[in-house]
Amino acid sequence: EVQLVESGGGLVQPGGSLRLSCTVSGFTFSSYWMTWVRQAPGKGLEWVASIKRDGGEKYYVDFVKGRFTISRDNAKNSLYLQVNSLRAEDTAVYYCSKSLGYFDSSGSYYVASFDYWGQGTLVTVSS
Amino acid sequence: QSVLTQPPSVSAAPGQKVTISCSGSSSNIGNNYVSWYQQLPGTAPKLLIYENNQRPSGIPDRFSGSKSGTSATLDITGLQTGDEADYYCGTWDSTLNEYVFGTGTKVTVL
Repeated sequence: EVQLVESGGGLVQPGGSLRLSCTVSGFTFSSYWMTWVRQAPGKGLEWVASIKRDGGEKYYVDFVKGRFTISRDNAKNSLYLQVNSLRAEDTAVYYCSKSLGYFDSSGSYYVASFDYWGQGTLVTVSS
Repeated sequence: QSVLTQPPSVSAAPGQKVTISCSGSSSNIGNNYVSWYQQLPGTAPKLLIYENNQRPSGIPDRFSGSKSGTSATLDITGLQTGDEADYYCGTWDSTLNEYVFGTGTKVTVL
């Protein structure tokens, strides 16, 4: 059974930092791209970042570049998101997800869908 | 501000059909695969459709997806009360170099 379990969320003051973790089981972690998606209270889904199987490529949504860092440890079956310089608008449930994608004719890889999701971890940024 | 536009809400009686549209552009839907997600209240999203029209195992054939040009559509037939949820489309945007989700559609069973 595929399982993704996030942890590390909590209440943090503006400007603060957190390290979110996602521990997976039930599939070969090192064979898949992984992604963080967030959802602010009462709002829609928002892609945050994706990371290649070996961690060699990373993609971020524009407004987190320079503040958030996605990483992974394949030996520990774990995905991470280091979130720094937090703002009130970063308040959200953060989900990790197993990602599927494809190569186009030029050899570029595109993330296409997310077939398994964790239960999410809530990050609240408030003074 | 999402680059993929969905209707805020759709509704129908049990047993009827609803159609949810997802409108984008050539930089996203027009040239990349579309997926659809169902989010029941208080739960994590669930993949319903991938690669425009493929269903993961366990997803009933009442759910179907299609794509034409820069728009995609999710159809739900034989509507059930358990289908009340938020539905999101998603795809890669080759110009933004980001994955983008639609604005979301709330399905209500009357």
